Amino acid sequence: AQSVTQPDIHITVSEGASLELRCNYSYGATPYLFWYVQSPGQGLQLLLKYFSGDTLVQGIKGFEAEFKRSQSSFNLRKPSVHWSDAAEYFCAVGRDDKIIFGKGTRLHILP
Amino acid sequence: KAGVTQTPRYLIKTRGQQVTLSCSPISGHRSVSWYQQTPGQGLQFLFEYFSETQRNKGNFPGRFSGRQFSNSRSEMNVSTLELGDSALYLCASSLALGLYNEQFFGPGTRLTVL
Repeated sequence: AQSVTQPDIHITVSEGASLELRCNYSYGATPYLFWYVQSPGQGLQLLLKYFSGDTLVQGIKGFEAEFKRSQSSFNLRKPSVHWSDAAEYFCAVGRDDKIIFGKGTRLHILP
Repeated sequence: KAGVTQTPRYLIKTRGQQVTLSCSPISGHRSVSWYQQTPGQGLQFLFEYFSETQRNKGNFPGRFSGRQFSNSRSEMNVSTLELGDSALYLCASSLALGLYNEQFFGPGTRLTVL
């Protein structure tokens, strides 16, 4: 069955610290991969996406993600978080006109 | 360029009623998708419309329906509301058909069913 797992429901990091949010997927073929962010009271905003090619993808707001086929993972990283990064982050996989979202990871930032 | 707009932003209904939600996509976008977001189930795809035709459908009962107009605006209707329909309903638009295209989301309509 196709699925997306974000193992961490909540993550807390200090402002200025590095961040890694985990995403693992189960899919028949290599899907397209996405990370979205949702701030309180807002819709989702695309941070970055991977379709093919270079497995390290750069996105907006200083985020990057690395696709690792052998681990079926697409983890999101940021070298130094800012208080404005506090939000909920969703990993999604899509192919063949389907898209599946993970349950999300809520990021808390300590001052 | 204006973003995706959804109206109303908040709705309170009672069980058994029906509700219609509206979505205006970004100008030039022809695909509109609808999602239901709940704490328990997360984000679940409802359906996608393109050129006034439903092209993809998620695993929801027939009480959930939608339509798209010639100007790409879309409406979603839920009939015979149940308590479990309480959720944030998100609309997303994109230039092309296919859920893997970049989607631009609206702020959502928060539906509460009492």
